[in-house]
Amino acid sequence: GNSVTQMEGPVTLSEEAFLTINCTYTATGYPSLFWYVQYPGEGLQLLLKATKADDKGSNKGFEATYRKETTSFHLEKGSVQVSDSAVYFCALNYGGATNKLIFGTGTLLAVQP
Amino acid sequence: GAVVSQHPSWVICKSGTSVKIECRSLDFQATTMFWYRQFPKQSLMLMATSNEGSKATYEQGVEKDKFLINHASLTLSTLTVTSAHPEDSSFYICSALTSSSTDTQYFGPGTRLTVL
Repeated sequence: GNSVTQMEGPVTLSEEAFLTINCTYTATGYPSLFWYVQYPGEGLQLLLKATKADDKGSNKGFEATYRKETTSFHLEKGSVQVSDSAVYFCALNYGGATNKLIFGTGTLLAVQP
Repeated sequence: GAVVSQHPSWVICKSGTSVKIECRSLDFQATTMFWYRQFPKQSLMLMATSNEGSKATYEQGVEKDKFLINHASLTLSTLTVTSAHPEDSSFYICSALTSSSTDTQYFGPGTRLTVL
């Protein structure tokens, strides 16, 4: 079946450090891939997405590249800030008639000043 | 654009009562909305898919008589937790699809339900 696997957290970094949160997926065909962010006590916000192989999604300094050969969609940011502290969810969706998001378990990022 | 709101943001109720949660798309029409449940420090669990003007499709294991979903207009879906019990306490989040981006769900801020 389709699934998303994320690295377990928490990930603790100092401000301005480089961030990588790994995400791999198992799916047939060509799903769209997403990163969502959830700040404490809030719902999810779409951070970025990619809809086909080799696409790079980017937003607010975060980026992720859809790698079909390694079935991965790792999230990266060159210099994290305290305000980036949140839970990050990787997800996939086929859209169309089924249109169900399949989420990873989420990775808590804590950035210390 | 693509803003989704939920009301209330938090609610406390007594066991045995019913609670209604509203999900609204503020600046777009949403033919499809989704309801999720999230337990502390866990991922989101899809409860049901709500289509405007038709019955909701529930995921396996979700009691349709307990979690009543109504999607009466293109901008509003409601989730009613009937005869709530403490085990129903959770964070409920809705999302909606826009017509222009049918693979991207936009999420509401969530509703924290506590059943005493």
